[in-house]
Amino acid sequence: GAGVSQSPSNKVTEKGKDVELRCDPISGHTALYWYRQSLGQGLEFLIYFQGNSAPDKSGLPSDRFSAERTGGSVSTLTIQRTQQEDSAVYLCASTPSFGGTYNEQFFGPGTRLTVL
Amino acid sequence: AQSVTQLGSHVSVSEGALVLLRCNYSSSVPPYLFWYVQYPNQGLQLLLKYTTGATLVKGINGFEAEFKKSETSFHLTKPSAHMSDAAEYFCAVSGGSNYKLTFGKGTLLTVNP
Repeated sequence: GAGVSQSPSNKVTEKGKDVELRCDPISGHTALYWYRQSLGQGLEFLIYFQGNSAPDKSGLPSDRFSAERTGGSVSTLTIQRTQQEDSAVYLCASTPSFGGTYNEQFFGPGTRLTVL
Repeated sequence: AQSVTQLGSHVSVSEGALVLLRCNYSSSVPPYLFWYVQYPNQGLQLLLKYTTGATLVKGINGFEAEFKKSETSFHLTKPSAHMSDAAEYFCAVSGGSNYKLTFGKGTLLTVNP
């Protein structure tokens, strides 16, 4: 079946612009995660959605970052007033169910964001 | 809090040689441990995981890892490297009510002919 998909695959933007990154999880997966992969910081957790529960936003680095998940499926990560330090690969992952501490997280190919 | 340390940001081996990628973790709760592989311009793919039970875990592509609680380690091995194993490898931990994966910095594996 189809895996996790992300769009766009690459995004180049100018400092100060807003960007939206999209994630389509595997059908039927109830949990969705966003991570950021950057040269300086490695892989960092950003936000977690589980069904209709309030998301865990504890990893978002600033209030310029927000995310939503519509209908328990597609998720959009929005970065407002982008800064050069936001340049990174943004990875999305999903798991089949809650109790996912031991569940495999299935990762998408990522969106490479470059802020000029 | 949880953390992962991967010793060696870059490991180079010859084709056919043993692969050993080191991972040490810190966790205040019983850990769940994972190894992921990332090929260029691709997402992460799970190689293997330890949850409970047998401490020697076998994964895909001939890789295996052993959970050693006393050493807080989860090193990844493969008896004989193949050119196709060249990639970046990430060790990760989660546990308890913490479903988030905490990753190490990654180890880039190069396989020389």
